[in-house]
Amino acid sequence: GNSVTQMEGPVTLSEEAFLTINCTYTATGYPSLFWYVQYPGEGLQLLLKATKADDKGSNKGFEATYRKETTSFHLEKGSVQVSDSAVYFCALSDRDGGFKTIFGAGTRLFVKA
Amino acid sequence: DAGVIQSPRHEVTEMGQEVTLRCKPISGHNSLFWYRQTMMRGLELLIYFNNNVPIDDSGMPEDRFSAKMPNASFSTLKIQPSEPRDSAVYFCASRRSGTGSSYGYTFGSGTRLTVV
Repeated sequence: GNSVTQMEGPVTLSEEAFLTINCTYTATGYPSLFWYVQYPGEGLQLLLKATKADDKGSNKGFEATYRKETTSFHLEKGSVQVSDSAVYFCALSDRDGGFKTIFGAGTRLFVKA
Repeated sequence: DAGVIQSPRHEVTEMGQEVTLRCKPISGHNSLFWYRQTMMRGLELLIYFNNNVPIDDSGMPEDRFSAKMPNASFSTLKIQPSEPRDSAVYFCASRRSGTGSSYGYTFGSGTRLTVV
């Protein structure tokens, strides 16, 4: 079945540091891939997505590239801010999964001033 | 667009009582999902609807849980009787259908349920 594995947290960075959160997936079909962000006390928000191989999703300075050869969708940001502190979820959705979205366990990010 | 609206935001109830959580999805979104989030188990899909019809309820933990979607603009999740282990944040999310897999979810702000 489909699954998503992302790096365990928490990840602690200083402001302006480079961020990478690793995500790999297993899917029988050709999934769409997503990153969601959850700020304290709120629901998840869609951050970015990519729907086919080599697509790059981007939003608010975050980027992720759909790598079919390595089945990965790593999240990156060149310079993090304190306001980026949140939990980040990698996710996939495809026809073989009935279009349900499968979420990773989430990675908590702390950014220090 | 008001987003996905959930009520109440917080609910504290005594063990054995009935609890009803409510959700209004985004207009035009054909799929609706109920999730539960806890520290121990993370985010769990309980049930989802497509065009108001329940498609997959395999995540509903036990018969004490039930969900309905009487129309395209309203859904409920009911727990009867409630137990302390049901304490969690319950999220509702909606999504456009169509080709399906490329659309992301819009989540509500959640209902924090505490059963004492």
